Amino acid sequence: DTGVSQDPRHKITKRGQNVTFRCDPISEHNRLYWYRQTLGQGPEFLTYFQNEAQLEKSRLLSDRFSAERPKGSFSTLEIQRTEQGDSAMYLCASSWGYNTGELFFGEGSRLTVL
Amino acid sequence: ILNVEQSPQSLHVQEGDSTNFTCSFPSSNFYALHWYRWETAKSPEALFVMTLNGDEKKKGRISATLNTKEGYSYLYIKGSQPEDSATYLCAFRANNDMRFGAGTRLTVKP
Repeated sequence: DTGVSQDPRHKITKRGQNVTFRCDPISEHNRLYWYRQTLGQGPEFLTYFQNEAQLEKSRLLSDRFSAERPKGSFSTLEIQRTEQGDSAMYLCASSWGYNTGELFFGEGSRLTVL
Repeated sequence: ILNVEQSPQSLHVQEGDSTNFTCSFPSSNFYALHWYRWETAKSPEALFVMTLNGDEKKKGRISATLNTKEGYSYLYIKGSQPEDSATYLCAFRANNDMRFGAGTRLTVKP
């Protein structure tokens, strides 16, 4: 297993465009998390899946953001009508099972909105 | 809202110095406290997962303690080396989600 992978690693887009990020978790992991990280801050929770069910969604996640995890495998995070404030690193992490399981992170997708 | 606070925000030490950081978190609905190390251009990696009040964990020169009743954890690095330079994140797990602090950025000068 090669760990958590994210694609693309870097994305530059113009304001108003839609972007989609993909995360492939470690195959046996049933939990998948999306975080956003901006300069000088820690990872900020966006949303969480257990298998294909989206169990929690941050209030920070406006209606322009949507995440899916069809069939409980890979996940996508889509941002519609991007704004400059969406510029950030988007991190995906996965874990197995119980509440205490450590997170395994991907290397992130860096978004720049011009 | 789960507030996880870390201090100091940044730290510069000389090689060989020992250092410690603090993570404070809500003392209710506690499931676990995680410490992660995040080197530049890499992904965060777990150092410790602690679940019980009084837990102490050690990995080489790095150790951590946990006090769930008062809501704090300490991370210690003994004899810092330049390769210890990284951002150290703590994360508090309650129910389904996990909330991170802003991190302590450690720079170890040779």
